[in-house]
Amino acid sequence: DGGITQSPKYLFRKEGQNVTLSCEQNLNHDAMYWYRQDPGQGLRLIYYSQIVNDFQKGDIAEGYSVSREKKESFPLTVTSAQKNPTAFYLCASSLGGGGRNEQFFGPGTRLTVL
Amino acid sequence: DAKTTQPNSMESNEEEPVHLPCNHSTISGTDYIHWYRQLPSQGPEYVIHGLTSNVNNRMASLAIAEDRKSSTLILHRATLRDAAVYYCILRDILRGNKLTFGGGTRVLVKP
Repeated sequence: DGGITQSPKYLFRKEGQNVTLSCEQNLNHDAMYWYRQDPGQGLRLIYYSQIVNDFQKGDIAEGYSVSREKKESFPLTVTSAQKNPTAFYLCASSLGGGGRNEQFFGPGTRLTVL
Repeated sequence: DAKTTQPNSMESNEEEPVHLPCNHSTISGTDYIHWYRQLPSQGPEYVIHGLTSNVNNRMASLAIAEDRKSSTLILHRATLRDAAVYYCILRDILRGNKLTFGGGTRVLVKP
């Protein structure tokens, strides 16, 4: 089955620790995205990548880092510099960037900082 | 990004049609109209999108006003599984790399 997988589903982290969230897609999509969602709010873009080895900051990139070494993978690292990391993190992919293409989302990772 | 306006909530009976309006009076000529929905504790799910003409797919229909300043998502026969928050989003044809979610419409389906 084609789709996007995110792991783990739930993640707990102690304050001051870095943590990496996994996102894999087998849809052969060029573009991938990371969003953050806080309770009762919409999604906010953290980073996006339109092609391998290239990525751009979104609206709230501070305290986060990404890499795009392979087409199918776009891991997100939440660093200790992120002041309020507890949130629901969603990864998405699309055939290309821009408004013509729909985005497909993974199931999300819920991160809690203790 | 051009803004969209949607009602906060709507109710429907199971197996009846649901018409979800969206106003986007500042839409530009290069904005696509996208609809997504989100069930509790899940990632958003793509529903449908269009530019100027009405669109149909297995999930829904999208009716776009002639002046493109409004659109309506139509769920032809609501099921309990359709209870979700529905978001109407505008995305530029070239620069629309992010989805900017507004408040959306919470749809309640009554059995």
